[in-house]
Amino acid sequence: DTEVTQTPKHLVMGMTNKKSLKCEQHMGHRAMYWYKQKAKKPPELMFVYSYEKLSINESVPSRFSPECPNSSLLNLHLHALQPEDSALYLCASSQVAAGYGYTFGSGTRLTVV
Amino acid sequence: AQKVTQAQTEISVVEKEDVTLDCVYETRDTTYYLFWYKQPPSGELVFLIRRNSFDEQNEISGRYSWNFQKSTSSFNFTITASQVVDSAVYFCARTQGAQKLVFGQGTRLTINP
Repeated sequence: DTEVTQTPKHLVMGMTNKKSLKCEQHMGHRAMYWYKQKAKKPPELMFVYSYEKLSINESVPSRFSPECPNSSLLNLHLHALQPEDSALYLCASSQVAAGYGYTFGSGTRLTVV
Repeated sequence: AQKVTQAQTEISVVEKEDVTLDCVYETRDTTYYLFWYKQPPSGELVFLIRRNSFDEQNEISGRYSWNFQKSTSSFNFTITASQVVDSAVYFCARTQGAQKLVFGQGTRLTINP
């Protein structure tokens, strides 16, 4: 199994809603990542988890809250988002260090209305 | 900031032409890794190649080839005999530290029949 699975694929939410994005991998990777990608821009790192512990937070607003319940799962909890948060949210995993290369999921396309 | 620069924003060629995508990077790291990813319209980032900073051998994989020149900090990607299915956005990336990937702005490649 060499996949990173993200759900849902599409999400529309209001600015007062609470929702969660989910990511799962079964490759035994011990590092997992959330990236945000706006249209016609490169992916930008949001969070890194290494061995289920948050190791990097790229000064992301608190309305985004990551969670890593175990080595296979990564969640991103969303609350009180703004329309400018609309983007493609990509999850990735790697063998501990980025030098091994990431395996990306297909992303969740989020629209905030 | 240590940038990754893909100077070509968009390239359009006719099928069967060869096309080269340029990538120039900055880094203060002694050891680092370079990558190319392909992003089709579906959104998933597909891994194409990984190269470490000590390995300057060029690589060929089918119609794809990569030219890494450490002296000029460049890691260019050539598609030979391009096909319509090669149409996508291509990102060059390098590691920054142990866990972060820094992406270039991407090159949108369109192969016309």
